[in-house]
Amino acid sequence: EVQLVQSGAEVKKPGESLKISCKASGHYFTSYWIGWVRQMPGKGLEWMGIIYPGDSDTRYSPSFQGQVTFSADKSVTTAYLQWSSLKASDTAMYYCARLDASGSYPDYWGQGTLVTVSS
Amino acid sequence: EIVLTQSPGTLSLSPGERATLSCRASQSVSSSSLAWYQQKPGQAPRLLIYGASTRATGIPDRFSGSGSGTDFTLTITRLEPEDFAVYYCQQYSSSLGKFGQGTKVEIK
Repeated sequence: EVQLVQSGAEVKKPGESLKISCKASGHYFTSYWIGWVRQMPGKGLEWMGIIYPGDSDTRYSPSFQGQVTFSADKSVTTAYLQWSSLKASDTAMYYCARLDASGSYPDYWGQGTLVTVSS
Repeated sequence: EIVLTQSPGTLSLSPGERATLSCRASQSVSSSSLAWYQQKPGQAPRLLIYGASTRATGIPDRFSGSGSGTDFTLTITRLEPEDFAVYYCQQYSSSLGKFGQGTKVEIK
């Protein structure tokens, strides 16, 4: 069974750094793209970008380029999303999702990680 | 950059009624690159339809997708209580897929 289990909720202050995780199981981790999606409070879904754990090929949506960093550790089948300096506007739910075998659409989703940034 | 516009923003219907949701793209999208998702409050999105018309595993046949080019439709033939949710379309013809803004299907 394919599962994506994300790390728990975080409360941070502006300017702090953060790395959240997405632990994958039930499929060949290095053979499927992983995507990240942001959902701000009460808003819709925003595609942040994707990473291919096999070779760490990474593609960011223009709005998120330079704002976040994707990474993956094959040894623990885990993908990561990190910020070097959080802003209040980063407050949101963040989902990871596995893309299908062709690397097109997300077919399995994590449960989400709520990130709250407040002074 | 392709923009997806969903309509209506909110659809108020009763259980048993038919729901028709629209997703319009700002430029032509390959039919094989359009998906629909359902999201209930406090839950992650769930894949319903991919390739514009193929139901994902375990999705009831009351859900169907159609369309091509710039106009796509998600139809729910008879609304069940568990179908009241927000629905998103997504195009993935590029590696940086975009979502529509969502349609909320609420109980009338």
